[in-house]
Amino acid sequence: DGGITQSPKYLFRKEGQNVTLSCEQNLNHDAMYWYRQDPGQGLRLIYYSQIVNDFQKGDIAEGYSVSREKKESFPLTVTSAQKNPTAFYLCASRGDRSPYEQYFGPGTRLTVT
Amino acid sequence: AQSVTQPDIHITVSEGASLELRCNYSYGATPYLFWYVQSPGQGLQLLLKYFSGDTLVQGIKGFEAEFKRSQSSFNLRKPSVHWSDAAEYFCAADLGQNFVFGPGTRLSVLP
Repeated sequence: DGGITQSPKYLFRKEGQNVTLSCEQNLNHDAMYWYRQDPGQGLRLIYYSQIVNDFQKGDIAEGYSVSREKKESFPLTVTSAQKNPTAFYLCASRGDRSPYEQYFGPGTRLTVT
Repeated sequence: AQSVTQPDIHITVSEGASLELRCNYSYGATPYLFWYVQSPGQGLQLLLKYFSGDTLVQGIKGFEAEFKRSQSSFNLRKPSVHWSDAAEYFCAADLGQNFVFGPGTRLSVLP
């Protein structure tokens, strides 16, 4: 089945450590996205990538970094510079044909203590 | 400014009652429009989408939505709500350069 996988489902880290969240898709989509979701909040865009080896900052990129070396993979690193990293992180990819809906992974809940 | 708004933060309905969730957009043209549902701790699932043609679109789980150009709205409806419909609902729009989500409406269902 085609889809998006995110691993792990739950992630725990100590403050001051960098952590990388995985996102893989087998939908052959060019565009991929990372969102952050806090309790009772909507989705806020962290980074997006329209094509391999290219990515753009979203609305809340500070303290995060990404890479896009392969079409199917778009890992997100939460660095120690991110002041409030505890959140639910969602990865998405976007279809290449109209109407271009986004497809979401199951999410990773990151807890930093 | 380009935006998607959902005026209702939280709605509570009784099981079996009808449901309407509101969504409005601000854009110079007709965007592609979507409704997603999110259960707690899960990703978002696409319920339905509109991009042209018939302004009443049918989706999964018995949901439908109506696009009204004159009101810049894309409201989600269901004639009879089930307890399993309790979730967060997001309206979204492809506004050309940006894919924009509304803030979400949390739906609670009373037995």
